[in-house]
Amino acid sequence: NAGVMQNPRHLVRRRGQEARLRCSPMKGHSHVYWYRQLPEEGLKFMVYLQKENIIDESGMPKERFSAEFPKEGPSILRIQQVVRGDSAAYFCASSPPMTATDTQYFGPGTRLTVL
Amino acid sequence: SQKIEQNSEALNIQEGKTATLTCNYTNYSPAYLQWYRQDPGRGPVFLLLIRENEKEKRKERLKVTFDTTLKQSLFHITASQPADSATYLCALPTGSSNTGKLIFGQGTTLQVKP
Repeated sequence: NAGVMQNPRHLVRRRGQEARLRCSPMKGHSHVYWYRQLPEEGLKFMVYLQKENIIDESGMPKERFSAEFPKEGPSILRIQQVVRGDSAAYFCASSPPMTATDTQYFGPGTRLTVL
Repeated sequence: SQKIEQNSEALNIQEGKTATLTCNYTNYSPAYLQWYRQDPGRGPVFLLLIRENEKEKRKERLKVTFDTTLKQSLFHITASQPADSATYLCALPTGSSNTGKLIFGQGTTLQVKP
């Protein structure tokens, strides 16, 4: 059973470009969470999604950031017009249905570098 | 808002000793608390979950305690090994609804020396 998959593992963008980060949850998992980890800081919650629904986006910056989890395909975290401050590791986690209060399984992360 | 405090200083111990890491939270007592391990360049890996009505939980060489009066959880690794060297994160649920949203501490880095 494959774990949570994220791609790309490393992404380099110039200021003003768009970054698209993908997350495929574990098989059978319908809850997806995105977290951001800045250098020397802890993981910060960004958004929680279920298939075709955003449940909680309270940690997502209001501008330039968006997330989706379509009926088919991976969850996408999209950052438009990236700035240097967006450089961070972005982690996706998933959990099974009906157990959102329990274990979250994390992917390996996407390391975004903005030049 | 809920805040989590973990000792930011690295913990260095000798192989075979017991490592004890602390997680303090400042606000309401959560329904449960989790501990994760994170290695450099990798995602966190779930280790243990302890619920508010549980005082202690064990898994192999790991033991977690949860004291809602002190607002503290202790994470113990007995008979520590160099392979236990990593950063350990404490996490709590947050938010008014059961969303599964977690707030993480900054983590404590453990270094086990042979």
